[in-house]
Amino acid sequence: NAGVMQNPRHLVRRRGQEARLRCSPMKGHSHVYWYRQLPEEGLKFMVYLQKENIIDESGMPKERFSAEFPKEGPSILRIQQVVRGDSAAYFCASSRGGAEETQYFGPGTRLLVL
Amino acid sequence: GQSLEQPSEVTAVEGAIVQINCTYQTSGFYGLSWYQQHDGGAPTFLSYNALDGLEETGRFSSFLSRSDSYGYLLLQELQMKDSASYFCAVRAGTDKLIFGTGTRLQVFP
Repeated sequence: NAGVMQNPRHLVRRRGQEARLRCSPMKGHSHVYWYRQLPEEGLKFMVYLQKENIIDESGMPKERFSAEFPKEGPSILRIQQVVRGDSAAYFCASSRGGAEETQYFGPGTRLLVL
Repeated sequence: GQSLEQPSEVTAVEGAIVQINCTYQTSGFYGLSWYQQHDGGAPTFLSYNALDGLEETGRFSSFLSRSDSYGYLLLQELQMKDSASYFCAVRAGTDKLIFGTGTRLQVFP
């Protein structure tokens, strides 16, 4: 019974490059959430997606960041032209949806921008 | 605005009981969750309270008072492996979680 899967676990990029982070939800889950965590801080909500739909992107920076959850395949968080301030841990969570449903987190992707 | 406040750090010895408080101010509230996170690890779900009262799960219990916008996590019979950061999180509108700043618990022998 696989949990939420994320890859890569660690990603190093130089300033100006693109970062692609992938998330496969738990089996039976169709709701995906992305959070960002800076060192020594709490998690900050970025975006909430269902299959082929963005439900809430209120936490996404307006530029350079995008997310998708296609009909087939994992959810992808894409960061274009990365800057050093993008260095953080990016966690994906999934749930069955609904206010009472628990969100389960993946192991995260640690992004380091040089 | 939306905010959740927790103590930044708590220390205790093995076998002791510790309570981590959380006060929140959010627009929209569906429930209060607690997550544990070890250094370098992923947040792990501990408990969820949608209604007032105490929820018990083994050594951990969680309490909610909606009228006071307050909750706490109670950890009993502390073990060294309980050393971690603990986050409270409010389920706000559209199912997103709003996290507190986290409480770092250090358990000493």
